[in-house]
Amino acid sequence: DAKTTQPPSMDCAEGRAANLPCNHSTISGNEYVYWYRQIHSQGPQYIIHGLKNNETNEMASLIITEDRKSSTLILPHATLRDTAVYYCIVRGELLYSSASKIIFGSGTRLSIRP
Amino acid sequence: DAGVTQSPTHLIKTRGQQVTLRCSPKSGHDTVSWYQQALGQGPQFIFQYYEEEERQRGNFPDRFSGHQFPNYSSELNVNALWLGDSALYLCASSLLAPGDTQYFGPGTRLTVL
Repeated sequence: DAKTTQPPSMDCAEGRAANLPCNHSTISGNEYVYWYRQIHSQGPQYIIHGLKNNETNEMASLIITEDRKSSTLILPHATLRDTAVYYCIVRGELLYSSASKIIFGSGTRLSIRP
Repeated sequence: DAGVTQSPTHLIKTRGQQVTLRCSPKSGHDTVSWYQQALGQGPQFIFQYYEEEERQRGNFPDRFSGHQFPNYSSELNVNALWLGDSALYLCASSLLAPGDTQYFGPGTRLTVL
């Protein structure tokens, strides 16, 4: 089973910041938080990942709480092309183990309104 | 730099037939994972290949098998197809290293009639 909980859907106005929450209260110390998104019928697209520090790249920012039990993905200026299902995933770094496969939950369906 | 590629894009088969799907990993990657995504659901892990061997397997029957070639490309074979095998089949590649990031291909849409 997925180790994360996300709201099933959210919406955001175009040009505003989209903040997508994720709960992962059972995360272990060596497990990373990953975010992917999937635009309709395409392959999942990697967005960002982090261990305990906040991370930022050209696509998004990832804010992880100090206790690491939850995180927020921030899309700073949402556009219509950001409409997608966003998956928050927890996975370990152990090689050849079940921890390294990706277990997807149901994700959050983000709709951007004009 | 080419990303992960998959072929064919779409495929229609009938029950009982066999199918082979192909995946070429991102340049520099040595590990290939396969996922099945039924309509309206998240992807489900099928198996992972590294050094031409199956390293991990999800909860899928033996009808699902795979292969990895010396150039790291991979095939997914499904025998005795049934209607429930209709899905988007995704390939993801990565480097077998701690904290590896898996990059996904566009997928192959399989329809079983």
